[in-house]
This record gives sequence, structure tokens and C-alpha cells, in this order.
Amino acid sequence: QSALTQPASVSGSPGQSITISCTGTSSDVGGYNYVSWYQQHPGKAPKLMIYDVSNRPSGVSNRFSGSKSGNTASLTISGLQAEDEADYYCSSYTSSSTLVFGTGTKVTVL
Amino acid sequence: EVQLVESGGGLVQPGGSLRLSCAASGFTVSSNYMSWVRQAPGKGLEWVSVIYSGGSTYYADSVKGRFTISRDNSKNTLYLQMNSLRAEDTAVYYCAREGYDSRGATDYWGQGTLVTVSS
Repeated sequence: QSALTQPASVSGSPGQSITISCTGTSSDVGGYNYVSWYQQHPGKAPKLMIYDVSNRPSGVSNRFSGSKSGNTASLTISGLQAEDEADYYCSSYTSSSTLVFGTGTKVTVL
Repeated sequence: EVQLVESGGGLVQPGGSLRLSCAASGFTVSSNYMSWVRQAPGKGLEWVSVIYSGGSTYYADSVKGRFTISRDNSKNTLYLQMNSLRAEDTAVYYCAREGYDSRGATDYWGQGTLVTVSS
């Protein structure tokens, strides 16, 4: 149950687009379309932003989008805004019927 | 309105035990997949355990054999019994509901309860 690999940090200027990658194996990310993405602000509980690779929950801005290719999933934030500055985590269902989270990415809005 | 409220955290010595509770409202715990997720201070999220609506349970390797997830349908409450606690179990523990008929799409989270394992 090794954590999925994410870049430690990603930054961008307001209005720009950024992409966060999430790399796993064929036993998790590559094997199922059960990849989710979470946003977490300091001291707060995580918030679901994307589920099933590319679906957005009601109320989540369409500036957030998800995709997957092979063992790597990606979260793209377009039109970056100051409020997007937070930690982001991916997660995936695994072949062991467990879940695994990514290592986390700190997004900084310059 | 869906709400999850955790309780039971606190300071415990290494080797000790603690039981966390998560009182749910606005939905039925037994009809959903319910998980515990933890976050050590300054660290990332770590999935701990899940209980399916059918009653099956699964655990992270790091807690298998020491932690037990359960629920009380009459109280609409989720539990996590933690035994043989170690310093590395120190974390904020969140209970969470999986939604969207998916796996891992955790749509509601509690506010978290802090567990500190220290002598």
C-alpha cells in the first residue's frame, strides 16, 4: 500500500492553468476508474473536488477537471484564483479493496 | 443536512487503547460505505479503514490487527477501536462517507478528532 506519487508543490499566477499528476500502478490508478481528488485548506477537512477520474460534485467549479492515462491521473485547475491555494490529494481504489492517497501537492498562487 | 461528528480523541500512552466515535445525521450509516482517514501533524492523508454497507471491513496494513472498525445501527454511529497504540498513530482522525455509488468518493467528512500517543 505505497502512497501514490504527487509533486510536492506546483505554482502558478492568477488566471493561469496548472496540472497536478498522481502516479500509481496497475493495481490502483491504472486498474480502476475510481480516482478522486481532494482540496484541503489549513486546519480544515478535505473537500471532494473530482471523483471517478473526471466527475465534478455539484457545487465544484468547472475550473477543476480530471483525467487519467495509464497509471497516472491528473487534476487541472484552469483560471487559477487565490482561493485555489491549498493542498491537493488524489486517492484511488486498489485491488486489495482498500484505498490509497497520494503524497499531496501544495498549490501556491503567485 | 448530512453531518458527521467525531469524538473520543485524546492523549494515550504507547500500548494503550482508545475508541473513536462518529455520530452521523442526515443519512443512514449502515446504508453507506464509511471510512476512517487520518492525518499526522504536518503530514498527508492516510486511509485507515472502511466498512461496507454489507458489513465487510478492510484495513491499511499499518493498522491491521490493531484497529477495528464497527458501527451501531441503532445509534447511527461509526466506531474505530484502536489497540496497541504507537507514537506513529498520532494524528487527526476523520470519519467520512463514500458517496456517488463509487469507491473512494468521500463526499462528507467530520471535523476530525486528535489522537496523541505519548508517554
